[in-house]
Parts: sequence; structure tokens; C-alpha cells
Amino acid sequence: NAGVTQTPKFQVLKTGQSMTLQCAQDMNHNSMYWYRQDPGMGLRLIYYSASEGTTDKGEVPNGYNVSRLNKREFSLRLESAAPSQTSVYFCASKTGPGNTIYFGEGSWLTVV
Amino acid sequence: DQQVKQNSPSLSVQEGRISILNCDYTNSMFDYFLWYKKYPAEGPTFLISISSIKDKNEDGRFTVFLNKSAKHLSLHIVPSQPGDSAVYFCAATGTYKYIFGTGTRLKVLA
Repeated sequence: NAGVTQTPKFQVLKTGQSMTLQCAQDMNHNSMYWYRQDPGMGLRLIYYSASEGTTDKGEVPNGYNVSRLNKREFSLRLESAAPSQTSVYFCASKTGPGNTIYFGEGSWLTVV
Repeated sequence: DQQVKQNSPSLSVQEGRISILNCDYTNSMFDYFLWYKKYPAEGPTFLISISSIKDKNEDGRFTVFLNKSAKHLSLHIVPSQPGDSAVYFCAATGTYKYIFGTGTRLKVLA
């Protein structure tokens, strides 16, 4: 039972490079999320997708783009990475309004 | 503008005693609240939740209290165990958006 799977787990990027974080869930959930965690800042919502075919901005969307490829997959893209995007990124998913969200194991990204 | 606040960055409690973690929110449209536990290098895991139609929810050693008039919720852990040492996040939602607090690091001393 994989749940929410994120790849890669670790990545080092140079400033200006681009990359995509991949997320897939096998729980047939409708909604998916991307969060970042920084010291003293908690978990901040970057983007979310309430259902397949829709995406919306969260609290800190600048510098990111997302794609809800299908019901299972939700990717996060950094077009031109900046040191301020050094963080731990978590993908999450849930079934419908008012339910629990389930997180992946996280992706550690360092931008130098 | 932080809609969900955890004002205590850290808390230390003796094993066997009660741990009380607090959380405040500002958005009156929030109607569902959750607590998550996070160990280092792992994703957050769900602990307990409460709907706005209730003021208390219990699950074993964990109880969440909700005071809607004060826009305040708290998590009680009784008795606290060393394995409870982790970072605890509260979260709130009204629709599809889940907003998290900054977390409280709980240390349970043996």
C-alpha cells in the first residue's frame, strides 16, 4: 500500500535551473496538494487541485507551476530555481471536503 | 496574515504527565480542524480531527477540544510518552484548502 509517492527524494539544483517534482497517489483521491516546509514557517500551501482538471493557488504560489496530469498524478515545476526555494516539499491527497489529507514522505530540494 | 497560529514553538513535559498543545485561528469560515504529528525526515501523519459541530473528540490518549467563540483548539495527550516527542501541527479547512500552523515541538522527558 504505497499511498502518496514523491520523486525525487533529494535534489540539488543550481540557481536558474528547472526541475519537476512528481507526485502520485494510489488511493483514488480526488484532491491533491503541494506544501513546502521551512524552519519556523510550518507547512505552507503552494498549489492544490480540488479535482482532476482543476488547479488553484495556495499561500505561496510564486515561482511554481503545477499540472494535474490525471487523477493519480500532480506535479510541481520550478521553472527557474532560486535559493529561496530551498525547502522540503510535501505532496498530499484526500477524498472529499472535510476529510483527512495524507502526506507523502517529502522531497528535499537545495538550490545553490 | 497567518490564519492558523501556534504560538508555542516548543514544549517540554515529563513522561506520564499531560501535554497541552494550543492553536488559534482567525477565519470563521473554517469548519474542520486536524492535528498532525511529524517526526524528522518523515511526512506528517494524521492524529485526530474535529468538526465545528462538536467541541470535543477523543481517541485513546489524544483529545482535541474546540472553542469556536474563542477560535481556539487544543490537543491534550494523557499520559505523555517519550514516543510522543515530535512536531505537532494543527490545520484548519473550510473547503478544499488546508491551512497549517507553524508547529509545536513536543519533548517528553523520561
